[in-house]
Amino acid sequence: LAKTTQPISMDSYEGQEVNITCSHNNIATNDYITWYQQFPSQGPRFIIQGYKTKVTNEVASLFIPADRKSSTLSLPRVSLSDTAVYYCLVGGSGSARQLTFGSGTQLTVLP
Amino acid sequence: EPEVTQTPSHQVTQMGQEVILRCVPISNHLYFYWYRQILGQKVEFLVSFYNNEISEKSEIFDDQFSVERPDGSNFTLKIRSTKLEDSAMYFCASSEPRAGGGEKLFFGSGTQLSVL
Repeated sequence: LAKTTQPISMDSYEGQEVNITCSHNNIATNDYITWYQQFPSQGPRFIIQGYKTKVTNEVASLFIPADRKSSTLSLPRVSLSDTAVYYCLVGGSGSARQLTFGSGTQLTVLP
Repeated sequence: EPEVTQTPSHQVTQMGQEVILRCVPISNHLYFYWYRQILGQKVEFLVSFYNNEISEKSEIFDDQFSVERPDGSNFTLKIRSTKLEDSAMYFCASSEPRAGGGEKLFFGSGTQLSVL
């Protein structure tokens, strides 16, 4: 199972862009990179998923370099409501395989 | 957006008792999961389930745990004889493969299990 490493915490101010980087040195060829967001006492919520290069949706962008050993979640113009734990997961090829959550990054957005 | 439903939201039980946590996955999903999260800790994988059998399970998922999909809609997690350390939030999730590859898990809002 590919292990992921993320910063434990980050602080930002409202309106700023936040970039959270995750390293996954032993990612497998068929692994996807997925980011989830979790608020206290709630289940994780899917943010974005990618395999290589760049993916963008209505809430975030995901940058993946060619070697795929890391990825960066980019949140544009964060607000107070983006304060949450962000998890980077590697795997999920669509076959009910184990998806392992790391320790996550606690993002705190300050006014 | 479709939702995974979990019941009950809170369950209090005595040590040694059996508990059943219930989940209704999203109707057209094929893959089902149970995770747990002890207060202040990370989300831990317990088991995945596909085609009416366990696909993978973690070391946490020992003989005290079992899963079942009894009627094609519900997905249950049973803990036969609860221990104090089973106190945690238990999350059910379901998914289907995404067009173009990968997988998107939908999580329920969890069942907070307290073992006294």
